[in-house]
Amino acid sequence: DAGITQSPRHKVTETGTPVTLRCHQTENHRYMYWYRQDPGHGLRLIHYSYGVKDTDKGEVSDGYSVSRSKTEDFLLTLESATSSQTSVYFCAISRELSNYGYTFGSGTRLTVV
Amino acid sequence: QQQVKQSPQSLIVQKGGISIINCAYENTAFDYFPWYQQFPGKGPALLIAIRPDVSEKKEGRFTISFNKSAKQFSLHIMDSQPGDSATYFCAGLSGGGADGLTFGKGTHLIIQP
Repeated sequence: DAGITQSPRHKVTETGTPVTLRCHQTENHRYMYWYRQDPGHGLRLIHYSYGVKDTDKGEVSDGYSVSRSKTEDFLLTLESATSSQTSVYFCAISRELSNYGYTFGSGTRLTVV
Repeated sequence: QQQVKQSPQSLIVQKGGISIINCAYENTAFDYFPWYQQFPGKGPALLIAIRPDVSEKKEGRFTISFNKSAKQFSLHIMDSQPGDSATYFCAGLSGGGADGLTFGKGTHLIIQP
């Protein structure tokens, strides 16, 4: 998707290991979001950021942490991966807080074995 | 607490028919209701959206109908085509937007040729 890149696209990791997913944007948008998508649950917000070093928790934040040291990068870390964190993770960006124009990345498929 | 309930979970429609997906919301603070379309392996993409001060919005073959008193809204796809086969998500967003988009669980739509 134009302006937003997620890496890696796929990852398999072992239970108990730390994992970091990266979201990179070239749009200079202020707001960035991490969602997870699971069958039967739709997309659920994990964490979001409203500026450099400004982050807050979403609906399903337990077991996840985030960091944003630059406008363009938003990192999602699983400190100790569990099988319940097997999911597809999407990053989204938006210019304004109430702007409906969320742009989503192509996702990272994470499997925890 | 699921704030946006979406139905049906899956839907099969013949080519040329009308596809209808329904959503109901609970949060009266929502003031923006987008629909997202997602193809396999891709992130969700904004399809069409409506604000609660209008009862209907049409863009090409896609129409949103909105009933504020019932707290319900629906997506109609006219003259459905095989290329419309995808997963559709409704969502709500409050003016503050701090919690990000709240999504329904999604509808997997298949258009049969």
